[in-house]
Amino acid sequence: SYVLTQPPSVSVAPGQTATITCGGDNIETKGVHWYQQKPGQAPVLVVYDDSDRPSGIPERFSGLTSGNTATLTISRVEAGDEADYYCQVWDGLSDHVVFGGGTKLTVL
Amino acid sequence: QVHLQESGPGLVKPSETLSLTCNVSGGSISGYYWSWMRQSPGKGLEWIGYIYYSGSTNYSPSLKSRLTISVDTSKNQFSLKLRSVTAADSALYYCARFWDSNSIPNYFDSWGQGTLVTVSS
Repeated sequence: SYVLTQPPSVSVAPGQTATITCGGDNIETKGVHWYQQKPGQAPVLVVYDDSDRPSGIPERFSGLTSGNTATLTISRVEAGDEADYYCQVWDGLSDHVVFGGGTKLTVL
Repeated sequence: QVHLQESGPGLVKPSETLSLTCNVSGGSISGYYWSWMRQSPGKGLEWIGYIYYSGSTNYSPSLKSRLTISVDTSKNQFSLKLRSVTAADSALYYCARFWDSNSIPNYFDSWGQGTLVTVSS
């Protein structure tokens, strides 16, 4: 089965840029989607189809996929960005959804 | 903006069946895929399965033998039944709309707030 690998944690100072990676075999052939989950809340889609943003998501959130790695970049990080972030793909070979293990973003 | 709301018992006894319903408002259930996910305390997201409004389903291999997802378009809701539950099934259960691209399920654009289910005697 297809596996997505994320670092358990990333730390960044306010105003800096946070980079969260999601690794998967030939992931660039799949559409990668990213969710933000704040404590006690449901996940929220922040990037879909590798690099598109839903309405209402700040431009500070951007995505890029190349080779075996997808990357979520959060520019000018704010305290309110502290959350767990999950990547997700649709695996067409198995017709199943796959989530990464999640990355906890800490704003120092 | 579609709104999803999960409902069902918060406590289920071991070996019994966990039953949840997701009510969809603000839009029709027809024409879309709908999905269930769960999240054990302190853990990541786990996909459970999805259903198309027509009734076709696809389940996670790890739960397939115990799982049934159904849809009731007249009530604009879909449901989950998980049989023979154990403590390992205790989790926060979410329903979500599964947005498709060219009829291929893709990403989850709207989520319910989640409902906590505890399996305990």
